[in-house]
Amino acid sequence: LAKTTQPISMDSYEGQEVNITCSHNNIATNDYITWYQQFPSQGPRFIIQGYKTKVTNEVASLFIPADRKSSTLSLPRVSLSDTAVYYCLVGDFLSYSGNTPLVFGKGTRLSVIA
Amino acid sequence: KAGVTQTPRYLIKTRGQQVTLSCSPISGHRSVSWYQQTPGQGLQFLFEYFSETQRNKGNFPGRFSGRQFSNSRSEMNVSTLELGDSALYLCASSPFGGTGDTQYFGPGTRLTVL
Repeated sequence: LAKTTQPISMDSYEGQEVNITCSHNNIATNDYITWYQQFPSQGPRFIIQGYKTKVTNEVASLFIPADRKSSTLSLPRVSLSDTAVYYCLVGDFLSYSGNTPLVFGKGTRLSVIA
Repeated sequence: KAGVTQTPRYLIKTRGQQVTLSCSPISGHRSVSWYQQTPGQGLQFLFEYFSETQRNKGNFPGRFSGRQFSNSRSEMNVSTLELGDSALYLCASSPFGGTGDTQYFGPGTRLTVL
């Protein structure tokens, strides 16, 4: 399971675009990149998943360069309600590694300021 | 489809007691994972069950145990509770449990040990 590195925290003003970058230098060929969002005292919630290039849904975009060693979660025009912790995970859909559990890490704490 | 449900939502116990938490996964999901979340340690993996078998276990003492039933519902048990066991316990289900498989989290059980 590829290890990921992301910033501990970020601040942004309302209405700005926020980009959170995650490094995963040893990503494997079959690995996908998944981002989760977590609000205090709630379970993490799936935001977006991608394999390469760009993926966009109603809440975010995910940019993945050709070498796939990093990825960037882009949140357009953030609001106060986007204040949360964002986790980047890398893994294979069906490959189960009995010795490597899913690791969420510390995530990136995004604070949106009015 | 109904989401992941966890019961109870809140629990207060005293040191030395034991506790059982329950998780009902999304219909059709065969993998159930448990996590402990504390402010200091973040989201930590406890164990994962698939088709009634424990496939992986995190670095927690033997006081933490779990099981999965034939209908994929899962329970986790903590015996001889310690103050440090106070945490939010999250359950997540996924179709296959692969490391890239999207995890769907429940609302959690907030355990307070006095």
